[in-house]
Amino acid sequence: DAGITQSPRYKITETGRQVTLMCHQTWSHSYMFWYRQDLGHGLRLIYYSAAADITDKGEVPDGYVVSRSKTENFPLTLESATRSQTSVYFCASSEGGAATNEKLFFGSGTQLSVL
Amino acid sequence: GESVGLHLPTLSVQEGDNSIINCAYSNSASDYFIWYKQESGKGPQFIIDIRSNMDKRQGQRVTVLLNKTVKHLSLKIAATQPGDSAVYFCAETKTGGNKLTFGTGTQLKVEL
Repeated sequence: DAGITQSPRYKITETGRQVTLMCHQTWSHSYMFWYRQDLGHGLRLIYYSAAADITDKGEVPDGYVVSRSKTENFPLTLESATRSQTSVYFCASSEGGAATNEKLFFGSGTQLSVL
Repeated sequence: GESVGLHLPTLSVQEGDNSIINCAYSNSASDYFIWYKQESGKGPQFIIDIRSNMDKRQGQRVTVLLNKTVKHLSLKIAATQPGDSAVYFCAETKTGGNKLTFGTGTQLKVEL
């Protein structure tokens, strides 16, 4: 029962470096999402994907890049990390269809610190 | 300088009591609402959902109430247990939309 897994669990990097956070799901869900969680802001959507090779911006996409070459993987890349990107990042998936955002299943998160 | 952190609203209840967590949602066009539970160090976990054509929905030990007139959502947990200690988030969206808006969360602490 693998579900949705994120890696790494913790990451420390320096300003200006490129960082990639991985997300893998075993349910063959159509939709996948990346959220960041910051105290006082709750969860904010960065990017989402409706299917392989289809991605779209969420609420806070600046400074992030995503790709979805395979249905099961949805990596998130910070091209040049900034301190404001220090956060906990959650990947999620859903069965999708008409109800894009229904019953999201979340991974355990990646805690990223940018020094 | 020193930074001041924002603190989540906290609800403390005694084990065995009922808990009621409230949420005010923002968009009158939202027609689908979800409660998530997030334990420390874990991702949010789906608890229960409700559509706008209902005003109450019950699950196992949990009940969600929806008042569209005042845009208010509540989650009742019956006979609260220590394992219920977590942060609870409400979320709203419009069916078929691409944006699920989360509230900032409420910390539930269960006292033995």
